[in-house]
Amino acid sequence: GQQLNQSPQSMFIQEGEDVSMNCTSSSIFNTWLWYKQDPGEGPVLLIALYKAGELTSNGRLTAQFGITRKDSFLNISASIPSDVGIYFCAPYSGNTGKLIFGQGTTLQVKP
Amino acid sequence: DTAVSQTPKYLVTQMGNDKSIKCEQNLGHDTMYWYKQDSKKFLKIMFSYNNKELIINETVPNRFSPKSPDKAHLNLHINSLELGDSAVYFCASRPHHSGQNTEAFFGQGTRLTVV
Repeated sequence: GQQLNQSPQSMFIQEGEDVSMNCTSSSIFNTWLWYKQDPGEGPVLLIALYKAGELTSNGRLTAQFGITRKDSFLNISASIPSDVGIYFCAPYSGNTGKLIFGQGTTLQVKP
Repeated sequence: DTAVSQTPKYLVTQMGNDKSIKCEQNLGHDTMYWYKQDSKKFLKIMFSYNNKELIINETVPNRFSPKSPDKAHLNLHINSLELGDSAVYFCASRPHHSGQNTEAFFGQGTRLTVV
């Protein structure tokens, strides 16, 4: 079956440090989305990627859609305390209509 | 205006009861989803509806029955609740077509606790 692996599972970093997380899959996807979830809230979209090789930025966040369409990474530069939360990759398949989620990366930032 | 709204936000109930969670979206989207988030924060897709028709059913027990009276609503009814049903349930919606601007928007979640 379809496998989606997100890593790392958790990170504990110092404020100001850069962060990188990634997702790899056994399947090809049309779209890669990255979401952030704060405690007690639903996931909120951070970045959307629609083309293989696409590199997109949103403020301090940068994400790339892998050229093989089977992976994506998210970088956060100069982390701040409000970056704390759970980050999810969420690839979408137009063939199945499914939007699935990685296992999540829990980020903690020490001021 | 809330784009995707779920009610209730919290639900505590006894084993064996039947309960419903409601979801409404005002984004004009064609596709709606239900996800279950367990204690390890894993988000697992349960159902997807497109224009009131079921298109995805991810081996969810028959006790869970989604109902879509119109494309703006997707409710989740759960019969004979079990302890293992305790989780946070999220509703989401997205446009049906592929390509740009097809991101999913999520509700705030319903925390279900079965005692």
